[in-house]
Amino acid sequence: GQQVMQIPQYQHVQEGEDFTTYCNSSTTLSNIQWYKQRPGGHPVFLIQLVKSGEVKKQKRLTFQFGEAKKNSSLHITATQTTDVGTYFCAAQAGGTSYGKLTFGQGTILTVHP
Amino acid sequence: NAGVTQTPKFRVLKTGQSMTLLCAQDMNHEYMYWYRQDPGMGLRLIHYSVGEGTTAKGEVPDGYNVSRLKKQNFLLGLESAAPSQTSVYFCASRRSWTQTPGELFFGEGSRLTVL
Repeated sequence: GQQVMQIPQYQHVQEGEDFTTYCNSSTTLSNIQWYKQRPGGHPVFLIQLVKSGEVKKQKRLTFQFGEAKKNSSLHITATQTTDVGTYFCAAQAGGTSYGKLTFGQGTILTVHP
Repeated sequence: NAGVTQTPKFRVLKTGQSMTLLCAQDMNHEYMYWYRQDPGMGLRLIHYSVGEGTTAKGEVPDGYNVSRLKKQNFLLGLESAAPSQTSVYFCASRRSWTQTPGELFFGEGSRLTVL
């Protein structure tokens, strides 16, 4: 079945440093979504990428979808303590599994003030 | 607007006991999902439903059953609980995948401990 690998598993940064997490799929995706989960909370939707090579920005966050639609990344510029949490990618398959959303393992981000 | 509501929020079971987790959404969403979250494992899909009366297996369906008799409710059952099912369970819902964004709306989670 579809596998979604996300790296790194953990990232510790000093406040002000940049952060990137990567998501790779074994199959071509219909689209990919990104979520953030604060400690003790539930995942909250950040963005969805649909087109090959798509780049979207939300303030200090930049999201990219690979040309082959098999990989994606989330980059945070100048991290802040409010960025602490776990970041997940979620891959949408196509075809007969159109309803299925598979999550990566997540990257736990710690920001030291 | 409550969104996605999960009950119960906490439960302790003994091995072999059964229980049902209830998920209710008031957004008229077509799709509903049950995930489990374990440290270092991310969110793993147990079962999902693309409409009332339909269910499908996810990545880790063994030991669980589900039902979607009403569009707004998605039930997750454990017939004979095992310690390996100790986890945090999240229910989520969304509109059909053809509508963008097809974001998932999550419940607050249900923490289950099996002794």
